Amino acid sequence: GQQLNQSPQSMFIQEGEDVSMNCTSSSIFNTWLWYKQDPGEGPVLLIALYKAGELTSNGRLTAQFGITRKDSFLNISASIPSDVGIYFCAGQPLMDSNYQLIWGAGTKLIIKP
Amino acid sequence: KAGVTQTPRYLIKTRGQQVTLSCSPISGHRSVSWYQQTPGQGLQFLFEYFSETQRNKGNFPGRFSGRQFSNSRSEMNVSTLELGDSALYLCASNPLAGSTGELFFGEGSRLTVL
Repeated sequence: GQQLNQSPQSMFIQEGEDVSMNCTSSSIFNTWLWYKQDPGEGPVLLIALYKAGELTSNGRLTAQFGITRKDSFLNISASIPSDVGIYFCAGQPLMDSNYQLIWGAGTKLIIKP
Repeated sequence: KAGVTQTPRYLIKTRGQQVTLSCSPISGHRSVSWYQQTPGQGLQFLFEYFSETQRNKGNFPGRFSGRQFSNSRSEMNVSTLELGDSALYLCASNPLAGSTGELFFGEGSRLTVL
């Protein structure tokens, strides 16, 4: 079946650092979504992207829909402690008439003490 | 408005037993999707219900089943539990069928199979 490769698997960062993570697919997607999951909670949508090349910001978060339509990137600027959690990318394949999302395995963000 | 509510939040079962999990979507949302989350595996899609009909199904064995009621509340059932079924089961609601756009997730039901 379809898979998304999300990297890195985990990141150890210091407060104030910028963070980058990405997702790649072997096939073309027409939607990319980025979710964040806090401990003990369900994922919450951060940013939705619907057009190739689209660059969208949500506060300190910026995400891009890759030009090839096979990848997406999420950047977090000036990280703060509440940024810790698991970030998931999700996408809808172009050729999927059921509009079902495919999910990455997640990037776990950890703040160095 | 109230979010997605899942019950129970935690449960422990033994192999061979069966379990039923419940999900109440956001008022007015007619689509309910279920996901299984295990560490390092991301979210694996189980099924989606819309207007009491199963609209999509993931690649899980027949031991996993679900249903949706006329008030959009949904239940999922896992029969003959196996150790590998231990996971966080997440329910998500959406005003429309299909997953494009924002899914609203509940806090999940954490199942431990001993």
